[in-house]
Amino acid sequence: DGGITQSPKYLFRKEGQNVTLSCEQNLNHDAMYWYRQDPGQGLRLIYYSQIVNDFQKGDIAEGYSVSREKKESFPLTVTSAQKNPTAFYLCASSIGRDRIGYTFGSGTRLTVV
Amino acid sequence: GEDVEQSLFLSVREGDSSVINCTYTDSSSTYLYWYKQEPGAGLQLLTYIFSNMDMKQDQRLTVLLNKKDKHLSLRIADTQTGDSAIYFCAEKGNQGGKLIFGQGTELSVKP
Repeated sequence: DGGITQSPKYLFRKEGQNVTLSCEQNLNHDAMYWYRQDPGQGLRLIYYSQIVNDFQKGDIAEGYSVSREKKESFPLTVTSAQKNPTAFYLCASSIGRDRIGYTFGSGTRLTVV
Repeated sequence: GEDVEQSLFLSVREGDSSVINCTYTDSSSTYLYWYKQEPGAGLQLLTYIFSNMDMKQDQRLTVLLNKKDKHLSLRIADTQTGDSAIYFCAEKGNQGGKLIFGQGTELSVKP
């Protein structure tokens, strides 16, 4: 079955460490997105990529980095520069301009310890 | 700029109808969406409506679109405890295919 897979489901990070969240899709979608979700704040866009080897900053890109070397993969690195990284992170993909909207992964909960 | 607003909470009794409202600002939106998020999970697409439609019905779900007022609603008939979740409204403008999400409405269904 086609889908979008995020791993790990739970991740713990020590202060000052970088961590990388994985997002892989086998839907042959061109576009991929990373969102951060905090209680009561909805979804905030971190980065997005519409084609391989290209990506753009979203609304809250500071302290995060991404790469898009393969169509299927869009990993997100949360760097030590991100002051408040504890949140639920969601990855999504879409064909691009189709009407069906986004397909979401099941999320990664990151906690700083 | 583009913005989508929703109320944060709604509480209903099992068997009643739920109506979740959303307002948006981008009059060029082509599609509008409703997503459901259960606790600790990703978002699932519930339904969507094209901007030239007024209404769309899909089993217990009815979407109403008032394009003049930029108002979208989701009605869930015969609400069940399994409908308890956060519901997100989203609009799709003409630029780059990105969706703009509302803050989400937490629906609580009491037995």
